[in-house]
Amino acid sequence: GQNIDQPTEMTATEGAIVQINCTYQTSGFNGLFWYQQHAGEAPTFLSYNVLDGLEEKGRFSSFLSRSKGYSYLLLKELQMKDSASYLCAVPRLIFGTGTRLQVFP
Amino acid sequence: NAGVMQNPRHLVRRRGQEARLRCSPMKGHSHVYWYRQLPEEGLKFMVYLQKENIIDESGMPKERFSAEFPKEGPSILRIQQVVRGDSAAYFCASSPPTSSGANVLTFGAGSRLTVL
Repeated sequence: GQNIDQPTEMTATEGAIVQINCTYQTSGFNGLFWYQQHAGEAPTFLSYNVLDGLEEKGRFSSFLSRSKGYSYLLLKELQMKDSASYLCAVPRLIFGTGTRLQVFP
Repeated sequence: NAGVMQNPRHLVRRRGQEARLRCSPMKGHSHVYWYRQLPEEGLKFMVYLQKENIIDESGMPKERFSAEFPKEGPSILRIQQVVRGDSAAYFCASSPPTSSGANVLTFGAGSRLTVL
C-alpha cells in the first residue's frame, strides 16, 4: 500500500525560510511530487524528484532521500503569496493531506 | 492550448438527485484522473482512466459513483442519489502517457458540488 505523512499546518513570517517535510511508504518507488494549492484553486505542479538529493528551482527547492522515505520542500525568502497548501504525492499521484502554510507579515 | 476544462464549476443538487461532472483533458493527454477534496482536507484519489478503459478505481466508492472516458468526448464522473456527504470539490487532472507511470498532472479548476 501507499502512505504519506506531512504536517497539517505551519506558520512563518515574510522573508523567512520554511521547510515542509513529507515521509512516505510506497511499494515500488517512482518519484515524489510537490504541488502547491491556493485556497479554492486547483493544485499546480512545483517539483518532481526521482533521485536522491536537492533540486533547486528559484526560491523553492525539493530534497529526496529514497532510503529514508523522506522528502522536504524548502521555501526561501517567503512572500505573502506563498500562503497556500503544499501537497506531496507519489505515483499514481496519491497525495498527502497537504500542509497549510500561513505567511505573516 | 485550453488546459484541462471542467464543467460545471458549481453544481447544486438535492439529496437523491444525480450529479454529472465533465472533464476535457489537455490536448495530447490521454490519461485522466479524478480526485475529491472535502473542505479543509487533502486530495483523495478516486479513479484513473485512459480512453475507454478504467485503469485504477481503487479510490472510488463501490456504490453510486461511476466514471467513464469514452472514445469521443469528455470524461464523466457520475454520482447517483447524492447525499450531503458528497458535497466536495471534484478535481480532474490529465497527463500524457509515460512508460514510467510517473506523470506530471495538470489540474482543472474543479467542480464544486453542493448537496442540499
